[in-house]
Amino acid sequence: EADIYQTPRYLVIGTGKKITLECSQTMGHDKMYWYQQDPGMELHLIHYSYGVNSTEKGDLSSESTVSRIRTEHFPLTLESARPSHTSQYLCASSQAATEAFFGQGTRLTVV
Amino acid sequence: SQKIEQNSEALNIQEGKTATLTCNYTNYSPAYLQWYRQDPGRGPVFLLLIRENEKEKRKERLKVTFDTTLKQSLFHITASQPADSATYLCALVAHGSSNTGKLIFGQGTTLQVKP
Repeated sequence: EADIYQTPRYLVIGTGKKITLECSQTMGHDKMYWYQQDPGMELHLIHYSYGVNSTEKGDLSSESTVSRIRTEHFPLTLESARPSHTSQYLCASSQAATEAFFGQGTRLTVV
Repeated sequence: SQKIEQNSEALNIQEGKTATLTCNYTNYSPAYLQWYRQDPGRGPVFLLLIRENEKEKRKERLKVTFDTTLKQSLFHITASQPADSATYLCALVAHGSSNTGKLIFGQGTTLQVKP
């Protein structure tokens, strides 16, 4: 059983609001990732971190920001949500050269 | 540019047959390659990892091959069952960056196993 948790599972929010999607893992993994996925479409890496105080942008440009102050916590923030941000956001973690474990995802709808 | 390509068309097979899915990559030198299963509305679940110095890996009804010359991995499910119906994703981390590098996924191939 994967010990990686995302909250909330579902979020409906108005345009212009600031939101933070939470992701926590209890496995002590160094590497953490955020992916964005629209229904039936591919996973796009938007942010990743290979340790505390290290964050890098992924291949898909995103207006979101992330922080990694603690090993177990990798929150994603949108300062001003827009309808184009509507998507599913998946968080994952791994140790070097091993499998990645995914959370259940947050389905975000911006109205 | 770097690309990971999987068959975008769904694969439909009869129960009991072997399903073969393809993953091709360009402009990567992967240290290892992974395969995941994803069901609708859920996050991917890890299935198998194969390293660049391994030709083949097996786990129960699953088999993965890795050809670094062809820049291709094949994923086989033998004696397929309707419960195997899902989207299968390949993913890789580029060589030399396995400690800090990005885990990138292909677009996935949807498998439908008919009873």
